[in-house]
Amino acid sequence: EAQVTQNPRYLITVTGKKLTVTCSQNMNHEYMSWYRQDPGLGLRQIYYSMNVEVTDKGDVPEGYKVSRKEKRNFPLILESPSPNQTSLYFCASSFGGTNYNEQFFGPGTRLTVL
Amino acid sequence: AQSVTQPDIHITVSEGASLELRCNYSYGATPYLFWYVQSPGQGLQLLLKYFSGDTLVQGIKGFEAEFKRSQSSFNLRKPSVHWSDAAEYFCAVGANQAGTALIFGKGTTLSVSS
Repeated sequence: EAQVTQNPRYLITVTGKKLTVTCSQNMNHEYMSWYRQDPGLGLRQIYYSMNVEVTDKGDVPEGYKVSRKEKRNFPLILESPSPNQTSLYFCASSFGGTNYNEQFFGPGTRLTVL
Repeated sequence: AQSVTQPDIHITVSEGASLELRCNYSYGATPYLFWYVQSPGQGLQLLLKYFSGDTLVQGIKGFEAEFKRSQSSFNLRKPSVHWSDAAEYFCAVGANQAGTALIFGKGTTLSVSS
């Protein structure tokens, strides 16, 4: 089944404790992206990757890191999480190095930083 | 700067009634426009998109949208709403010609009453 998986789905952590949210897709998509969703703000792009070893900042990259060492994986790293990073996070992928093609979204990761 | 406005935060429609969700965009060039739907607890799913050509676009689940350049609008419509259409709907505009960034609106929550 074609899908985007994220782990964990739920995470409660404390300020400053490094964490990684994994994202994996099995559709051989070139483009992958991370978004955060906050009430009343919609989705905002954090980072994206057009292909392996090619990443760039989105609208809200502060406090986040990403890497794209393999085509299928695009982990999101919070080196020192803060309460303002409490949010619902989505990973998405799409074909052809662009998100103007249909994006397939993961189920989301709900992160709470205390 | 590119932007998307969804004027209605929440709409309630009776089952079987018609639906129109509004979307206005700001973009200097020919826009790439999208509608995504998010069912409760799920990731987003593409309903339809407009790049060029016929200004009336058909999508999945019986939805359609009409691009009106003169009004900078891309409203989503459905002639007869089903209870399963209750969800959050996001309009998005492509923010650059490279196809690497989407700007999402803040969303409209649709409730369906019986």
